[in-house]
Amino acid sequence: DTGVSQDPRHKITKRGQNVTFRCDPISEHNRLYWYRQTLGQGPEFLTYFQNEAQLEKSRLLSDRFSAERPKGSFSTLEIQRTEQGDSAMYLCASSLPWGAQNEKLFFGSGTQLSVL
Amino acid sequence: GQNIDQPTEMTATEGAIVQINCTYQTSGFNGLFWYQQHAGEAPTFLSYNVLDGLEEKGRFSSFLSRSKGYSYLLLKELQMKDSASYLCAVRDRDDKIIFGKGTRLHILP
Repeated sequence: DTGVSQDPRHKITKRGQNVTFRCDPISEHNRLYWYRQTLGQGPEFLTYFQNEAQLEKSRLLSDRFSAERPKGSFSTLEIQRTEQGDSAMYLCASSLPWGAQNEKLFFGSGTQLSVL
Repeated sequence: GQNIDQPTEMTATEGAIVQINCTYQTSGFNGLFWYQQHAGEAPTFLSYNVLDGLEEKGRFSSFLSRSKGYSYLLLKELQMKDSASYLCAVRDRDDKIIFGKGTRLHILP
């Protein structure tokens, strides 16, 4: 068990470019969550998956954001035509099925995005 | 809408006790988490409450009242390393986990 891993740790891009982040959850975790966090704020919910099914996407998210979890294992988050307001830490978290004994959300170290 | 409220900042003295409150209004309720987050790091799990009452874990305790939509995190014998943000989060009826904005706790020597 190596924990939740995210790649890359840091990404600097120019406004208008597309970026993609990857998250590898803990292996037996079927739930995967994406959050965005800016300085001094709590994590803001973006979307979540149960296995490969995307259950909900935040209404605050524009159509420039899309996420996939094609085989129910790793997930990708893509931002198209990035804007300066997209600069934030993007956090991924995973969990066992809720109702299992160990109910907690495990976070990765995040991807820090800077849009210039 | 979903709403989780907690104080923005608190200050306490090393060795003292501090209580961080959280109130919530969400689409259903399946449990409440408290997480600790040091600057520049990912959140780490502290506690999870599903039923009303107090859960104690060493220096940290968490309380839940579902009828009042209220929880608190109690930190005893404060240490300098407890300086961090404390995040309250609710698992709603769809298992979506919504976080509050966090409480920044400053510990003074």
